[in-house]
Amino acid sequence: DVKVTQSSRYLVKRTGEKVFLECVQDMDHENMFWYRQDPGLGLRLIYFSYDVKMKEKGDIPEGYSVSREKKERFSLILESASTNQTSMYLCASSPHNKGNTEAFFGQGTRLTVV
Amino acid sequence: SQQGEEDPQALSIQEGENATMNCSYKTSINNLQWYRQNSGRGLVHLILIRSNEREKHSGRLRVTLDTSKKSSSLLITASRAADTASYFCATDAPFGVRGGGADGLTFGKGTHLIIQP
Repeated sequence: DVKVTQSSRYLVKRTGEKVFLECVQDMDHENMFWYRQDPGLGLRLIYFSYDVKMKEKGDIPEGYSVSREKKERFSLILESASTNQTSMYLCASSPHNKGNTEAFFGQGTRLTVV
Repeated sequence: SQQGEEDPQALSIQEGENATMNCSYKTSINNLQWYRQNSGRGLVHLILIRSNEREKHSGRLRVTLDTSKKSSSLLITASRAADTASYFCATDAPFGVRGGGADGLTFGKGTHLIIQP
């Protein structure tokens, strides 16, 4: 059974803390993504990676960075957490195949910044 | 930027009825996909339709795609209470089309479907 695993379901952090959200996939996918989901705004792409050590900014990269040191792991980093980063964070992966780019999602991490 | 826009935002129907959701998008696409999300969970892929296809079926799901109108619809037939969820369309654009040099799926805001037993 294919899987994308996010390290935490729920997380509470303080303003100014450095926060790491981890995502691991076991499908040998090239592409990995981080989205955030907010009520009324849907899913918005934060960062994207199509290979190890490669990264691309999505629609809302400000305040975030990412790391892809290994193919199976994609980390989202909040350098200095702020309350407006309270959100549901979703990690996804997909194969590098333009004919079939079905994305597989993790269960999500609900982050609250207080 | 939001590529896909679902319509309606919310839909409530009786069990056994058919549910139709629509999606509009703005740029050229490689394919369009529909996903389902149960409350507080991750998204699950339902069906993918390529830009050169007009209709696709999978079980009780029927998807249509009209690239001239940049729109798609998802039909769920004979709905069940377990179909209650949010449904999202997502477009996969050619690299660079969505701007910022980023690739990846662009999601709409979703339709929240409630099936009344």
